[in-house]
Amino acid sequence: DQQVKQNSPSLSVQEGRISILNCDYTNSMFDYFLWYKKYPAEGPTFLISISSIKDKNEDGRFTVFLNKSAKHLSLHIVPSQPGDSAVYFCAASEARGSTLGRLYFGRGTQLTVWP
Amino acid sequence: EAQVTQNPRYLITVTGKKLTVTCSQNMNHEYMSWYRQDPGLGLRQIYYSMNVEVTDKGDVPEGYKVSRKEKRNFPLILESPSPNQTSLYFCASTYGTGRRAILEQFFGPGTRLTVL
Repeated sequence: DQQVKQNSPSLSVQEGRISILNCDYTNSMFDYFLWYKKYPAEGPTFLISISSIKDKNEDGRFTVFLNKSAKHLSLHIVPSQPGDSAVYFCAASEARGSTLGRLYFGRGTQLTVWP
Repeated sequence: EAQVTQNPRYLITVTGKKLTVTCSQNMNHEYMSWYRQDPGLGLRQIYYSMNVEVTDKGDVPEGYKVSRKEKRNFPLILESPSPNQTSLYFCASTYGTGRRAILEQFFGPGTRLTVL
């Protein structure tokens, strides 16, 4: 049973507009969330993260929003650029000592930014 | 250059023939992990290691073994590969100090394994 869900397998956005990628989770013990980006034929690369004590974290064009009550987070990319076209994975972790090294990923969303 | 390397990058093998995929990092990272990526399933963690001689199961450890005898290497062993282990495998590493360090991982380029 998947604890991190990305229900949109793909998203297509015009260059310059906002991209919003969504992620839902079921485990209320998750307290740290991350987004990774993956280009074809490469390994994923870390993009941005957020702790559960915050509801927003911003890094340049990338902002992650966390809504704990809804168990939902989203990644906003503004403005979107063609180089942002990639698969985006949402991931989560819980603080329990016995599973500190576990990282749970969603299935990914393919973002395509067209000119 | 700081990197995570995996070998081989591509491998085609047959059912039951033992194989090892090597993973090495040159960043003196304590934490290392293995993932598999399958269409429609995303990334799933196989095993991870918080430090030398310390390994733990991830989501899908069945059919795999790992060892962490030295800090830089974390090989993934398939004792008797089966077709359902055909997948794209990624090794990752990061500093082991602090929660944030453990989670923001550096990934290798991937190993595409086909088991016939």
